[in-house]
Amino acid sequence: AQKITQTQPGMFVQEKEAVTLDCTYDTSDQSYGLFWYKQPSSGEMIFLIYQGSYDEQNATEGRYSLNFQKARKSANLVISASQLGDSAMYFCAMREPNDYKLSFGAGTTVTVRA
Amino acid sequence: ETGVTQTPRHLVMGMTNKKSLKCEQHLGHNAMYWYKQSAKKPLELMFVYSLEERVENNSVPSRFSPECPNSSHLFLHLHTLQPEDSALYLCASSQELYRGATEAFFGQGTRLTVV
Repeated sequence: AQKITQTQPGMFVQEKEAVTLDCTYDTSDQSYGLFWYKQPSSGEMIFLIYQGSYDEQNATEGRYSLNFQKARKSANLVISASQLGDSAMYFCAMREPNDYKLSFGAGTTVTVRA
Repeated sequence: ETGVTQTPRHLVMGMTNKKSLKCEQHLGHNAMYWYKQSAKKPLELMFVYSLEERVENNSVPSRFSPECPNSSHLFLHLHTLQPEDSALYLCASSQELYRGATEAFFGQGTRLTVV
């Protein structure tokens, strides 16, 4: 079964505007970690932000924030003040307890327009 | 700074060739991974090494053979590949294997094309 679902294959956003990327996950564990990665056309996966399941506050890292709604099992990424360099593919991922692998979603392609 | 370096960046090989992908991490991490990224599919974990010991071989065909000579280097040896093996192969490392909050650091990948 798919553990991470990203329903938006592609999105367009105007420069300087905010964009929200959806991510829902499926786990029966109470303790887990959620990650967002950015993959530009160069191929490298760049870590953006982490949210632990027991963290009470939503994670923020600069222009990135994670809208964590535990009851709905969603972990949406918000990119504020979009820049042209934000154009990339974005992946949501989860690590469950006692598991070393990250389960990735299918990704969302973001294109920032000038 | 790229803490995880992969070479080559691009590789085209015939089905009868033998080639190797190299990964080097400069982060002092204990765990290293090979992932495969095919078009329109989520990343698939192939192999995991912790302190140079293979932890998982995720039902990967034997035409892919990993090697981890030390905690900083990871290789993926390729032989008699199929066209469907064409993909982006990503190497990653993390501080420890099971620590929940530990993010994985990825290299830039090797774009492999099998002809």
